[in-house]
Amino acid sequence: EAQVTQNPRYLITVTGKKLTVTCSQNMNHEYMSWYRQDPGLGLRQIYYSMNVEVTDKGDVPEGYKVSRKEKRNFPLILESPSPNQTSLYFCASSLQPMNTEAFFGQGTRLTVV
Amino acid sequence: AQKITQTQPGMFVQEKEAVTLDCTYDTSDQSYGLFWYKQPSSGEMIFLIYQGSYDEQNATEGRYSLNFQKARKSANLVISASQLGDSAMYFCAMRVVFGNEKLTFGTGTRLTIIP
Repeated sequence: EAQVTQNPRYLITVTGKKLTVTCSQNMNHEYMSWYRQDPGLGLRQIYYSMNVEVTDKGDVPEGYKVSRKEKRNFPLILESPSPNQTSLYFCASSLQPMNTEAFFGQGTRLTVV
Repeated sequence: AQKITQTQPGMFVQEKEAVTLDCTYDTSDQSYGLFWYKQPSSGEMIFLIYQGSYDEQNATEGRYSLNFQKARKSANLVISASQLGDSAMYFCAMRVVFGNEKLTFGTGTRLTIIP
């Protein structure tokens, strides 16, 4: 089954404790992205990757890091989480053609206290 | 830069009625794609329908259709014969051809179907 898998689904952590949210896709997609969803703001792109070892900032990259060492994996790293990073996070992957939809992971609800 | 505007924060619709969710967009690019996603209370993002900027016909997928008016820069989603399971958050999004594969999202419309 074609899917994007994120882990964990839910996470409560404390300010400053490094964490990683994993994302893996089994569709051999070149493009992968991370978004965060906040009430009243829709989804905003954090980072994206056009292929292995190619990553770039999206609209709200501050406080986040990513890596793309393998095509299927695109982890999101919060080196020192802060309460303003409490949000719902989505990983997405897609093929290159513009007319293909992005496939989203199930979401990770992160709370930083 | 691209921008998506959804002006209806919430809508209540009687079951079996048709519903139109508004979406207007702004871009200087000539080649772009417009998407609608559904987000039920469980949180996942479900792709519904796609319209390309050069597509002459409005897209349809089952009970979903996209009313594309290019001159007005609008891409409204029409759901025919609404069902209780249609209650969800709906997001309009855009992707342009040149640039990163980013989807630019609107703020969403929460649709509630009343029995």
